[in-house]
Amino acid sequence: EEQLVESGGGLVQPGGSLRLSCAASGFRFSDYSINWVRQAPGKGLERISYISTGRRTTYYADSVKGRFTISRDNPNKSVYLQMNSLRNDDTAVYYCARHGYGDAFDVWGQGTRVTVSP
Amino acid sequence: QSALTQPRSVSGSPGQSVTLSCTGTSSDVGGYNYVSWYQQRPGKAPKLLIYDVTERPSGVPYRFSGSKSGNTASLTISGLQAEDEADYYCCSFAGDYTYVFGIGTTVTVL
Repeated sequence: EEQLVESGGGLVQPGGSLRLSCAASGFRFSDYSINWVRQAPGKGLERISYISTGRRTTYYADSVKGRFTISRDNPNKSVYLQMNSLRNDDTAVYYCARHGYGDAFDVWGQGTRVTVSP
Repeated sequence: QSALTQPRSVSGSPGQSVTLSCTGTSSDVGGYNYVSWYQQRPGKAPKLLIYDVTERPSGVPYRFSGSKSGNTASLTISGLQAEDEADYYCCSFAGDYTYVFGIGTTVTVL
């Protein structure tokens, strides 16, 4: 079964840092680009970051640019999201999602919750 | 990049057909054939229903279909079932590695 599993979420104070992980299994990880998509409580989806297969291309939404860094470790089939200078409005469930099927996000993890609060 | 416009809610009786709209601009929906649709049940991760405007991944029921005209994409659910009650999000490529989601539509089965 093709699967993504996120971890690393939790409660952090404003200005703090967290590192999220996304572990893949059941597919050839190095062949796929990976995205991070977040969902604030009661809100819609926001794609915030992307990393290509060979790590040559990364993307950040304006809302996280300069604060978040995406990376990947192909031998360990994992993607990471280093989140610094966290703000209250970063509170959300963070999903990693595979970029597949044409041009869509075809495999999603179960999500990890990040709460930024004093 | 502004979120794509979707109706907040749509409802229908079992067996009926409902169509969800997703309106963008010529810079996203109208400019590329890269519109996808996702179903999200409460407390669950999104699930891909439609990609590249009209294509359906294996395992997605045939009652889900996608289309596009100009700057508006649509998802039609034919033969509505109770299990289709969920939130539905559209998403479009918007150039330069950018993707924009819609605000989401809640489908209620009466």
